[in-house]
Amino acid sequence: AQKITQTQPGMFVQEKEAVTLDCTYDTSDPSYGLFWYKQPSSGEMIFLIYQGSYDQQNATEGRYSLNFQKARKSANLVISASQLGDSAMYFCAMRIIQGAQKLVFGQGTRLTINP
Amino acid sequence: GAGVSQTPSNKVTEKGKYVELRCDPISGHTALYWYRQSLGQGPEFLIYFQGTGAADDSGLPNDRFFAVRPEGSVSTLKIQRTERGDSAVYLCASSLAVNTGELFFGEGSRLTVL
Repeated sequence: AQKITQTQPGMFVQEKEAVTLDCTYDTSDPSYGLFWYKQPSSGEMIFLIYQGSYDQQNATEGRYSLNFQKARKSANLVISASQLGDSAMYFCAMRIIQGAQKLVFGQGTRLTINP
Repeated sequence: GAGVSQTPSNKVTEKGKYVELRCDPISGHTALYWYRQSLGQGPEFLIYFQGTGAADDSGLPNDRFFAVRPEGSVSTLKIQRTERGDSAVYLCASSLAVNTGELFFGEGSRLTVL
């Protein structure tokens, strides 16, 4: 079975600082994808970044990067130069490429950026 | 429309009533997913469709929940004999292909059962 664990219920960071949101996962499948989504107070889920299990390099998308450590089964999200608009819930999720196709989410981390 | 559209955005009903929630996915997306998100929790998988067929309904909590996608586009999530514990935000998502690609989410339907 797949499982995603996000151990930080809340994070508080000063504007312009970098922040790392933790995510560990558990699966026995060798082929999977890892996702990060942002959910602002409006409720929509916004896709941020994707990492495939066979990707050699860590994914980056603008200010977002994914620190993928396969041996440790961790996929932490790094946000550089945080902005007030980054305040939101952040969810890590995983999907097995073959077989079950559902995206399994963690419990989320509430990030608050202070001015 | 450009994104996933869900209606109604808010639904208040009484315990025991029947409810339908509608999802209109992004045009051309063959995969469609329903999730349920309770307050303070991550989205919980309910069911996904590949085309018209339900490829995985393992997340439906019981037989009061049912979903259809008769023409491979719009989907309806149906909840019979609603209970207070069904109160949550029901999220719909679609993707271009099942095996790869991100899921695009709608803004959700907030269901409140009194």
